Amino acid sequence: KAGVTQTPRYLIKTRGQQVTLSCSPISGHRSVSWYQQTPGQGLQFLFEYFSETQRNKGNFPGRFSGRQFSNSRSEMNVSTLELGDSALYLCAGSLAGGPDTQYFGPGTRLTVL
Amino acid sequence: AQKVTQAQTEISVVEKEDVTLDCVYETRDTTYYLFWYKQPPSGELVFLIRRNSFDEQNEISGRYSWNFQKSTSSFNFTITASQVVDSAVYFCALSEASAGNMLTFGGGTRLMVKP
Repeated sequence: KAGVTQTPRYLIKTRGQQVTLSCSPISGHRSVSWYQQTPGQGLQFLFEYFSETQRNKGNFPGRFSGRQFSNSRSEMNVSTLELGDSALYLCAGSLAGGPDTQYFGPGTRLTVL
Repeated sequence: AQKVTQAQTEISVVEKEDVTLDCVYETRDTTYYLFWYKQPPSGELVFLIRRNSFDEQNEISGRYSWNFQKSTSSFNFTITASQVVDSAVYFCALSEASAGNMLTFGGGTRLMVKP
């Protein structure tokens, strides 16, 4: 069974640009959550999607948005990038609506210059 | 609000030593789940164990064991006879039944096992 995939793995952007990250959970998993990991703030929850609906949202500005498609694949978008958005973005999938064990992808390392 | 504290930011041991990673949590929910994840240098979080709030049985899996104590709100993780491959950052996390799949993570403990 294929694991969670995230693309791209590495990304370099400049301030003010926007970026879209993609995540495909394990086949059959319907929930996708996104997390931001930085040295200063650690691992922080961004949002969760289940059956194409956002169920939970963390404490992040509106520049961070996401969506989920009918095949459970999810995208995360960050508009008007700031230097502080440089981070490892991890997505996780789970079978059920929660709480359920979440399986993480390898992450996308975003660098904002 | 929920909170997870891992007081040990970094631990260094010599191979074959036993090591315990501490985790203390706070939650108002009576139904919640606790997790441990391992993050090797590659960055991917690897699931190790999940425990629900109604199951206080300790668990052993090979060289790994977990001690869940509701009375002290702790969920500690012990590695017996540590190996160099155990070197990683370990995260304890909490998920409340009322919050879907949202995980609240502790700050992590970096474990370095020296040969």
